[in-house]
Amino acid sequence: DIQLTQSPASLSASVGDRVTITCRASQNIRNYVNWYQQKPGKAPQFLMYAASRLHSGVPSRFSGSGSGTDFTLTISSLQPEDFATYFCQQSYNTPWTFGQGTKVEIK
Amino acid sequence: QEQLVQSGAEVKKPGASVKVSCKASGYTFTSNDIIWVRQATGQGLEWMGWMSPGSGDSGHARKFQGRLTMTRNTAISTAYMELNSLTSDDTAVYYCARGVTNFNWLDPWGQGTQVTVSA
Repeated sequence: DIQLTQSPASLSASVGDRVTITCRASQNIRNYVNWYQQKPGKAPQFLMYAASRLHSGVPSRFSGSGSGTDFTLTISSLQPEDFATYFCQQSYNTPWTFGQGTKVEIK
Repeated sequence: QEQLVQSGAEVKKPGASVKVSCKASGYTFTSNDIIWVRQATGQGLEWMGWMSPGSGDSGHARKFQGRLTMTRNTAISTAYMELNSLTSDDTAVYYCARGVTNFNWLDPWGQGTQVTVSA
């Protein structure tokens, strides 16, 4: 199975900060990475596919990059509604594994 | 809009089975795979398997071999996930989600179904 390792596991940041989350795959997965946001007690919500393509309606402060084994999700200016947990997911091979999540907390 | 609505919370004893339903609306049910994902409290997301509502074909993670059955009723646009031989390790929120295109992103997700396994 393909392993996805996210870092950091958690971070504290302030409104307006730039935040970067990393997702590393155990093998080459081209650009088959999707990103999700999850708030407490809620189902995950889809943010981005193919490593860098924003889902319709997702604010442009979110961006993604990467190919192969290393991927990043960046929030250019953190907003109050962005405090949540973020997961990467690979869809290159089944089982479609997820990273363990990165919790973005208020500093 | 596209929506998945799941059945309600379940409490089961060890060794029992649970069946969770996932009703689709707002899109053609047979056009996209349904994916099942679970999340234990405070933990990450675990992909369980997929099912094609159009063909009935399915696949699942190795750890669920022999315990997981995914079915559907196309007449009512509903997918089902049944997990057998439950243990306390199966206590989790179970989600269904629609798989979309070649990149198989998951959108939308159902609201989740809490399954608690307790003696």
